[in-house]
Amino acid sequence: GENVEQHPSTLSVQEGDSAVIKCTYSDSASNYFPWYKQELGKGPQLIIDIRSNVGEKKDQRIAVTLNKTAKHFSLHITETQPEDSAVYFCASLSNSGYALNFGKGTSLLVTP
Amino acid sequence: DAGVTQSPTHLIKTRGQHVTLRCSPISGHKSVSWYQQVLGQGPQFIFQYYEKEERGRGNFPDRFSARQFPNYSSELNVNALLLGDSALYLCASSLKDRGLGGYTFGSGTRLTVV
Repeated sequence: GENVEQHPSTLSVQEGDSAVIKCTYSDSASNYFPWYKQELGKGPQLIIDIRSNVGEKKDQRIAVTLNKTAKHFSLHITETQPEDSAVYFCASLSNSGYALNFGKGTSLLVTP
Repeated sequence: DAGVTQSPTHLIKTRGQHVTLRCSPISGHKSVSWYQQVLGQGPQFIFQYYEKEERGRGNFPDRFSARQFPNYSSELNVNALLLGDSALYLCASSLKDRGLGGYTFGSGTRLTVV
């Protein structure tokens, strides 16, 4: 089945700095790659997604890049704020189109 | 608008018992998926239902079953509970059959098996 690797597992940055989280996937047929933010006691919240026909997508301070040849995609958060502190998950949509395969998550801590 | 709602929020069960978890999707969403999230891990896919039909099943034993009702709400049933079934169970709804429309997750049901 699809395998999604996510790095790093923990990331600590100072407020205002940038944060980058990287993921690789194994199924070349995957065509949809969402990123979720999960705060304590809550379910994952979709923050940005990208489809395989696009190389980059940006939404204010958040951007995602996709390299289909290398089968990796990355989340970039600029001008980080303390409220960005959470666990971030990357995912890929399986070939069937029904199942999201998640990475193990990155715990991001933004210190004031 | 209400998001994806799940009940109950927390549940404690004994090994060997049965549990039923409930999910109401966003209004207008016809697809419901279930995921299991063990502490410190990413969610793992269990089932997807669309228009009351099972469309996908993850690598979970037959003790796990689900169904979707005419109003598109869904139930996840787990029989013969094991300690390893302790996890956060997440429901996600989607407008479309296949997930390119994006999945919206509920806050989950925290199941503890003792």
